Amino acid sequence: DTAVSQTPKYLVTQMGNDKSIKCEQNLGHDTMYWYKQDSKKFLKIMFSYNNKELIINETVPNRFSPKSPDKAHLNLHINSLELGDSAVYFCASSPSAGTGFHGYTFGSGTRLTVV
Amino acid sequence: RKEVEQDPGPFNVPEGATVAFNCTYSNSASQSFFWYRQDCRKEPKLLMSVYSSGNEDGRFTAQLNRASQYISLLIRDSKLSDSATYLCVVKPFRAGNMLTFGGGTRLMVKP
Repeated sequence: DTAVSQTPKYLVTQMGNDKSIKCEQNLGHDTMYWYKQDSKKFLKIMFSYNNKELIINETVPNRFSPKSPDKAHLNLHINSLELGDSAVYFCASSPSAGTGFHGYTFGSGTRLTVV
Repeated sequence: RKEVEQDPGPFNVPEGATVAFNCTYSNSASQSFFWYRQDCRKEPKLLMSVYSSGNEDGRFTAQLNRASQYISLLIRDSKLSDSATYLCVVKPFRAGNMLTFGGGTRLMVKP
């Protein structure tokens, strides 16, 4: 039973297309995140949601739009894909602040390649 | 200056060796510290939290020096299966549980 699941695992698409990545967690966590890991392997926060509300948006282009229909789901929609968007996108979840935070649980990642 | 800095390596060590990784962080108000492990083409996984008094988990020992803003990870009796990238992770003092990741140190343990 996967704790944090992302789909798809691989995504190859042409420049200019619009694509979505889905994430679901069954850990009962209140907070979910999107991180981007580029070719140099740096993991950078993109967004954080707590109980469906956006709490962190780290200067990500507005072509990226997260959506959280409920606290167990956080999807990422990307418009007008560019070559520089090629990366691995990781979803993660954690308990809320003040409830025994012990780090994140990550999904297995979505490898996006824009051609 | 990056918020969390690590030597990218790679560290090439023989099986059975002891190896240490260091990490420095820039935000003196950082609250929590972790080491994550990331295998090739896999997601990062929590290895251990780092406590002010230092803590040990089997062959792994983590230390924190708040005055120097320095975190270390020591691996004793290295196994082939320890080959991975080790990520130093800091929770800065700001809203939410956002974690800041270092670029990782790559370890290769050879027979």
